[in-house]
Amino acid sequence: DQQVKQNSPSLSVQEGRISILNCDYTNSMFDYFLWYKKYPAEGPTFLISISSIKDKNEDGRFTVFLNKSAKHLSLHIVPSQPGDSAVYFCAASAGNTGKLIFGQGTTLQVKP
Amino acid sequence: EPEVTQTPSHQVTQMGQEVILRCVPISNHLYFYWYRQILGQKVEFLVSFYNNEISEKSEIFDDQFSVERPDGSNFTLKIRSTKLEDSAMYFCASSPDRISQETQYFGPGTRLLVL
Repeated sequence: DQQVKQNSPSLSVQEGRISILNCDYTNSMFDYFLWYKKYPAEGPTFLISISSIKDKNEDGRFTVFLNKSAKHLSLHIVPSQPGDSAVYFCAASAGNTGKLIFGQGTTLQVKP
Repeated sequence: EPEVTQTPSHQVTQMGQEVILRCVPISNHLYFYWYRQILGQKVEFLVSFYNNEISEKSEIFDDQFSVERPDGSNFTLKIRSTKLEDSAMYFCASSPDRISQETQYFGPGTRLLVL
């Protein structure tokens, strides 16, 4: 099941710079997208979401962009901080069912 | 801040044994979920639960699995006869209402090892 794909398993950025995490999806029925952050030995923590009727949602240092025609979304973290180092999961849902389809995750390392 | 809790944090069992994984969702939440993550793989949806009924389940959630909300606070996942391939991290999640179903709050997980 490759409906949601995160093609970069890892990303390393310098503190203070921008982190850009990418996610692609194939199911055109998806209408809600989320990003979760996960630290080792913890459950995923909700970060930010976006409805398919929007193309951008911003919350502090985190911005999610949605390009429906390309079936692509991205998470921008500006400025990146060492505490942002974690695994980031993209997830998608269709029809308000509550069933989330997750990507494989991208491990972000922010170097001081 | 309210959080989802899960017990036990780790469980080791023999193949064929029954296990019950327990979760206490956030108290005013109405929708409940179980997910699992096999080591090195994606987080996978198992089941959603609302108003004491299963709302949706994946093909993974076969007759060996069941869920229950035995009282006002606990939400359990039972695996009747565990298999080696059931070894995974199991996450419980909850969400407050129908409009915010997708915004799910996850517990820390139970690591299940089937020998």
